[in-house]
Amino acid sequence: AQKITQTQPGMFVQEKEAVTLDCTYDTSDQSYGLFWYKQPSSGEMIFLIYQGSYDEQNATEGRYSLNFQKARKSANLVISASQLGDSAMYFCAMRERGGNKLTFGGGTRVLVKP
Amino acid sequence: DAGVIQSPRHEVTEMGQEVTLRCKPISGHNSLFWYRQTMMRGLELLIYFNNNVPIDDSGMPEDRFSAKMPNASFSTLKIQPSEPRDSAVYFCASSVYTGELFFGEGSRLTVL
Repeated sequence: AQKITQTQPGMFVQEKEAVTLDCTYDTSDQSYGLFWYKQPSSGEMIFLIYQGSYDEQNATEGRYSLNFQKARKSANLVISASQLGDSAMYFCAMRERGGNKLTFGGGTRVLVKP
Repeated sequence: DAGVIQSPRHEVTEMGQEVTLRCKPISGHNSLFWYRQTMMRGLELLIYFNNNVPIDDSGMPEDRFSAKMPNASFSTLKIQPSEPRDSAVYFCASSVYTGELFFGEGSRLTVL
């Protein structure tokens, strides 16, 4: 079974609008962490935001927020006020208890239209 | 501050040749990871080290792949002999144990 599932291979969003990127995960651990990374066309991997499984508040970092629904095992990324520079691949990843490796989902490509 | 440094950035080689990819992690980070990215398989963890010790190499495709971390500031990923299906972008990343991963810019390998 896939540990991290990103069901949206690609999506368009209008500049200045918000976009939600879906991520569901599968783990039997109680302690785990969820991460989002951005990969622009230049190829580098940029860390965006982190949510711990015990964090009661949804994580926020500037225009990025994480809609964490633990019971549904989902950790959706919300990008508010989209900018042209937000066009990129976005990856959701999970770290489970007992290790510090990250397992990545397949990614969602976002294209922001002017 | 210097980030994770990988070399070479691009490598084109012929099938059967040995390929060595190099990585210098961020100073003070105690975990180092090698990932491979392809269109078909996405981002796959090949191997990772904690405190220079290999912890999980279950992602290493086969015996043709080997990785070493002789000290805290250097790691290599070697492919011998290389095959066309090894063509991919290889990322090195480092972290403190429970922190986010910081990635290098990647090494794009093309095996002809």
